[in-house]
Amino acid sequence: SAVISQKPSRDICQRGTSLTIQCQVDSQVTMMFWYRQQPGQSLTLIATANQGSEATYESGFVIDKFPISRPNLTFSTLTVSNMSPEDSSIYLCSVEEGSYTEAFFGQGTRLTVV
Amino acid sequence: AQSVAQPEDQVNVAEGNPLTVKCTYSVSGNPYLFWYVQYPNRGLQFLLKYITGDNLVKGSYGFEAEFNKSQTSFHLKKPSALVSDSALYFCAVRERGGSYIPTFGRGTSLIVHP
Repeated sequence: SAVISQKPSRDICQRGTSLTIQCQVDSQVTMMFWYRQQPGQSLTLIATANQGSEATYESGFVIDKFPISRPNLTFSTLTVSNMSPEDSSIYLCSVEEGSYTEAFFGQGTRLTVV
Repeated sequence: AQSVAQPEDQVNVAEGNPLTVKCTYSVSGNPYLFWYVQYPNRGLQFLLKYITGDNLVKGSYGFEAEFNKSQTSFHLKKPSALVSDSALYFCAVRERGGSYIPTFGRGTSLIVHP
């Protein structure tokens, strides 16, 4: 099973600023995912990040707002840009090692924008 | 398209009593089914999965789930609830041979009363 270290665990940010969230995996994985979990709601996939290619964004999410880097098979970052209070949420990174295997998650980043 | 329904926002049970958290799914073909648990301020943790074979799946912390193809259900159960089981539970589905990306239910908050 993969162990994922995600940081920061939480942050309070001013509107209009940006925050970069880091996700480090203890093994090489092909596919990494970034999710948003708004209060009282389920997980919404933001994008899929594969090493060596641009991230694939889901409907409603754009690269200018949520730029993603995937420089190698163990690391990824998600930036939340030009933040507004509506961006207050928990952001989770996740990896999967095969189509029939479970997903592994980082501990999440609780973001509050004031 | 794949979807998951968790019909209960919250389940309340007394400690020592059996618990059930309901999940129904919809996929075009055969499913891979998963349960995850999320404790406060933590990421999701894998509990158990159904891939193929025996319809009764046993997982971590004494939890089990039964795959029922005719009812398209995958309810999570535990014979005797603990206060420490109180958390948010997510059911997820992925279609066999389909996308690597799972679809999550909206989550069910389990509250176990002493």
